[in-house]
Amino acid sequence: GESVGLHLPTLSVQEGDNSIINCAYSNSASDYFIWYKQESGKGPQFIIDIRSNMDKRQGQRVTVLLNKTVKHLSLQIAATQPGDSAVYFCAEISLSGNQFYFGTGTSLTVIP
Amino acid sequence: DSGVTQTPKHLITATGQRVTLRCSPRSGDLSVYWYQQSLDQGLQFLIQYYNGEERAKGNILERFSAQQFPDLHSELNLSSLELGDSALYFCASSVSFRNEQFFGPGTRLTVL
Repeated sequence: GESVGLHLPTLSVQEGDNSIINCAYSNSASDYFIWYKQESGKGPQFIIDIRSNMDKRQGQRVTVLLNKTVKHLSLQIAATQPGDSAVYFCAEISLSGNQFYFGTGTSLTVIP
Repeated sequence: DSGVTQTPKHLITATGQRVTLRCSPRSGDLSVYWYQQSLDQGLQFLIQYYNGEERAKGNILERFSAQQFPDLHSELNLSSLELGDSALYFCASSVSFRNEQFFGPGTRLTVL
């Protein structure tokens, strides 16, 4: 029979290269955004967040860029390591409306 | 380890049954969130509680209910279970609505 499942976008990168994962959000009222990493069999793990009054935020090896004009969010991972292999998804939150939406995620595979 | 605990880790039950999933938030966190993650729908926000009161509602079915107790732990009750309810159920907690959420390890529910 036909298998049903979530077909995640996939990204494969060489170890040491930079990765860019993209997310298009839908709600113009969203004013807080989070990137999560989910490894197989584990719960989502916070990576970095950004509020709508910013367009860039940097963490350790990660940078989030926010383009409110086109409702686009990206996560850049520098010097990608095998341990970065996971599913990454963005969450958009409307703080005033108490609404949360999670993207379906992108599966990142790091090739040693 | 996020500090959020969930029990049980796995649950196998039959259609028509009722189950209760339990979540203990991180120490100091007043907000608790419940999510469902299934193969074909990604991560879906169900409901949020803050300090014992319901604050936001997502795609939660009428057969599902939740509550947050005075000690801040939360329970998600799923009744009249259907095959399609098989999924991973995550609990997350945060200090407040405007802060990052920390996810528990999840409860894997299988409805046979």
